[in-house]
Amino acid sequence: QSVLTQPPSVSGAPRQRVTLSCSGGSSNIGNNAVNWYQQLPGKAPKLLIYFDDLLPSGVSDRFSGSKSGTSASLAISGLQSEDEAEYFCATRDDSLRGPVFGGGTKVTVL
Amino acid sequence: QVTLRESGPALVKPTQTLTLTCIFSGFSLSETGMCVTWIRQPPGKALEWLARIDWDDNKHYNTSLKTRLAVSKDTSKNQVILTISNVDTMDTGTYFCARAVDCTGAWFDPWGQGILVTVSA
Repeated sequence: QSVLTQPPSVSGAPRQRVTLSCSGGSSNIGNNAVNWYQQLPGKAPKLLIYFDDLLPSGVSDRFSGSKSGTSASLAISGLQSEDEAEYFCATRDDSLRGPVFGGGTKVTVL
Repeated sequence: QVTLRESGPALVKPTQTLTLTCIFSGFSLSETGMCVTWIRQPPGKALEWLARIDWDDNKHYNTSLKTRLAVSKDTSKNQVILTISNVDTMDTGTYFCARAVDCTGAWFDPWGQGILVTVSA
């Protein structure tokens, strides 16, 4: 059971906008920056969003992050087939004194 | 350009000690603020943070695995070593090392390609 809760799957049609959620608590999301990772099948995770809503260089601006209270969200606009992947949220948990991950959300493009 | 690569055995027997090496380039672990972390992923499951070593040789461990983990660094070789003692089948998975950009948080970039380790008799 992951400390951060993500829906197992989300799907959308091409060009649609989808939103992935990540729910936590006061000891993690409520008090620390959230980061998002994209993991393509058989590949290592890749940083997608850092510090809640910042885009690393080279990441498409179709991706955006936000946070409110103890929940965070990742939005993908203009959904493309290449976006089919697993997406993980991650943050520090002050009680556990280390990073924690969500269970991951698999995005399927219909 | 920062790169990391994991190396180690693909197969380990239960009760043995697993030793994994992270070989990196593009930064030095002797530089203030630099940190390297280990993360694993059981087949089909979520990511799990394992350990982190900092430029000043401070070490941090997942509390649930702390008694079995040890992390060290060889700054001259740009390597970080992770050992897991007394492995069992639950330790099967892909192991990644990554640079921890924000040492105390969960900002990891980039990641190594990962190494699949199977624990089986």
